[in-house]
Amino acid sequence: QAVVTQEPSLTVSPGGTVTLTCGTSTGAVTPGHYVYWFQQKPGQAPRTLFYDTRNKHSWTPARFSGSLLGGKAALTLSGAQPEDEADYYCLLSYTGARNWVFGGGTKLTVL
Amino acid sequence: QVQLQQRGAGLLKPSETLSLTCAVDGGSFSGYYWSWIRQPPGKGLEWIGEINHSGDTNYNPSLKGRVTISVDTSRTQFSLNLNSVTAADTAVYYCASVDEDYWGQGTLVTVSS
Repeated sequence: QAVVTQEPSLTVSPGGTVTLTCGTSTGAVTPGHYVYWFQQKPGQAPRTLFYDTRNKHSWTPARFSGSLLGGKAALTLSGAQPEDEADYYCLLSYTGARNWVFGGGTKLTVL
Repeated sequence: QVQLQQRGAGLLKPSETLSLTCAVDGGSFSGYYWSWIRQPPGKGLEWIGEINHSGDTNYNPSLKGRVTISVDTSRTQFSLNLNSVTAADTAVYYCASVDEDYWGQGTLVTVSS
């Protein structure tokens, strides 16, 4: 089973920019991994921010963007707001089939 | 507005079978994969498996052999069975369509003797 790695925690200042990354033990993250990003706030179910690396949902704020960067998947937040404080998870698909593995999550603090 | 409503037992003894059902109301049931995802208390998310309306399934290899996901298209619902549970299966279980950002309310399942 592949291992998906994320930064355990990051801190960003209000109005600042931060990039969360998602790597895989199998090498580089590629479009074939069909990357998802989720946001989860305490006591709530997750919400899907992005699917297929960079495609947003209608509710996803414009200050979030998804990309591939340096062999990893990246979630960039530009102009952080207090309400962006949450846990963020990536999800990758493997072996060309629908075998999904979550990253360990990043706790983002806006401070 | 699509709503996912979960139901099932929240307290199990070791070796029993976890059974949860997720009813999908208010939208299209076909054309999507429907997933089960769990989260142990204070920990991260784990993908359990998924099914589409045709009954095609994919499972987490680490749970294969214990997990079965089934679908009832006439009732637009899908179900999770996980047998031989242990304390390590204690978690909040979510049903979801991650593509469409539809999520159930989550069910805390506790395994304890």
